[in-house]
Amino acid sequence: SQTIHQWPATLVQPVGSPLSLECTVEGTSNPNLYWYRQAAGRGLQLLFYSVGIGQISSEVPQNLSASRPQDRQFILSSKKLLLSDSGFYLCAWSDLGGGTGELFFGEGSRLTVL
Amino acid sequence: GQSLEQPSEVTAVEGAIVQINCTYQTSGFYGLSWYQQHDGGAPTFLSYNALDGLEETGRFSSFLSRSDSYGYLLLQELQMKDSASYFCAVRDRGGGKLIFGQGTELSVKP
Repeated sequence: SQTIHQWPATLVQPVGSPLSLECTVEGTSNPNLYWYRQAAGRGLQLLFYSVGIGQISSEVPQNLSASRPQDRQFILSSKKLLLSDSGFYLCAWSDLGGGTGELFFGEGSRLTVL
Repeated sequence: GQSLEQPSEVTAVEGAIVQINCTYQTSGFYGLSWYQQHDGGAPTFLSYNALDGLEETGRFSSFLSRSDSYGYLLLQELQMKDSASYFCAVRDRGGGKLIFGQGTELSVKP
């Protein structure tokens, strides 16, 4: 069966520090991969999505970047965090092409920038 | 671009029926999905409609009208555990990416 792992679960970082969130998927090949961010009490904002290794689409211009060094690994990074980067970050995968529209989410990473 | 509108909050009592509406505007449309998210947790998939009509899964049903760019999620026999946020999402042409609405917070009262 397919599983998705995301870490770290919680982190508190000072403004201006770097960030790296990692996500790996097991049990499937060639997944679509996604990074979403959710501010408190708000909807899910699509940040990046990827349909293959090295193929990243950015949805929102900002100080974050994403990379997909391997088929089932997706990394979200920042060189210098801003206060506004605080939020709940969710990695997700879907079958290539999206299929039924079902996304499978990781447990999330809660980031607080102070 | 894409946009989705849904009510921000709904309150209902245990055992009742509640309908959460969603209207959307998209440049391309491949289906409407619904997700449930409990406080502090990750969203989980509830249903998907690619064609007009009603899809039923247990106590939950979802409806789509493509001509009206409208859908709804119907929750029957409400239980306390149904208290959560519910999101509609549209899939567009771009690699199956999902764009989410702002969510509807459902509170179920005893």
